[in-house]
Amino acid sequence: RKEVEQDPGPFNVPEGATVAFNCTYSNSASQSFFWYRQDCRKEPKLLMSVYSSGNEDGRFTAQLNRASQYISLLIRDSKLSDSATYLCVVNVLMDSSYKLIFGSGTRLLVRP
Amino acid sequence: SAVISQKPSRDICQRGTSLTIQCQVDSQVTMMFWYRQQPGQSLTLIATANQGSEATYESGFVIDKFPISRPNLTFSTLTVSNMSPEDSSIYLCSVASGFLGLTYEQYFGPGTRLTVT
Repeated sequence: RKEVEQDPGPFNVPEGATVAFNCTYSNSASQSFFWYRQDCRKEPKLLMSVYSSGNEDGRFTAQLNRASQYISLLIRDSKLSDSATYLCVVNVLMDSSYKLIFGSGTRLLVRP
Repeated sequence: SAVISQKPSRDICQRGTSLTIQCQVDSQVTMMFWYRQQPGQSLTLIATANQGSEATYESGFVIDKFPISRPNLTFSTLTVSNMSPEDSSIYLCSVASGFLGLTYEQYFGPGTRLTVT
């Protein structure tokens, strides 16, 4: 089983739609969680950290469910510019140090 | 967040040769990492670059193949040695500040796209 699992998509949605991505992680000792965005042929860019209480940044809302080991990202009012791959990332204690484990990403296509 | 640059941005190399990739940060950072992203795949951590000491390599990566230097808190190099076509990938430097064990965020350089022929 992969340490961080995501639905690869693609999710193909019209502009203005609301879309949600889910992610599960296997290590219950995971300490912190992030969503990164990666555009084609570009480096990953931090979109937002995910806090236990859930957090919102404009049109983006992230939720964490530690009991189910599940993270979500909700995008409201999708824009064409939201088209990208969204990477779920988990900070895990391994071999006495913390490491980021990346999911394989969920691809989003927003169409006009 | 820190501004991170990598050189070269891309290269095409012949098998059997070596390439050194440089990563420069505009401010001192606690931690620097090297990742690889193969086509259509997610990121895989190669090693943590430790300032003034040997890098810490992940399973499947060895110092002879991927020697790393980190002479100070703003600069690191990764060498891909004795290259084969399987080494064709994007190599990314990333940085983080903070303390191990506490939540920290990583920021990535623009990557080096390597093609081995």
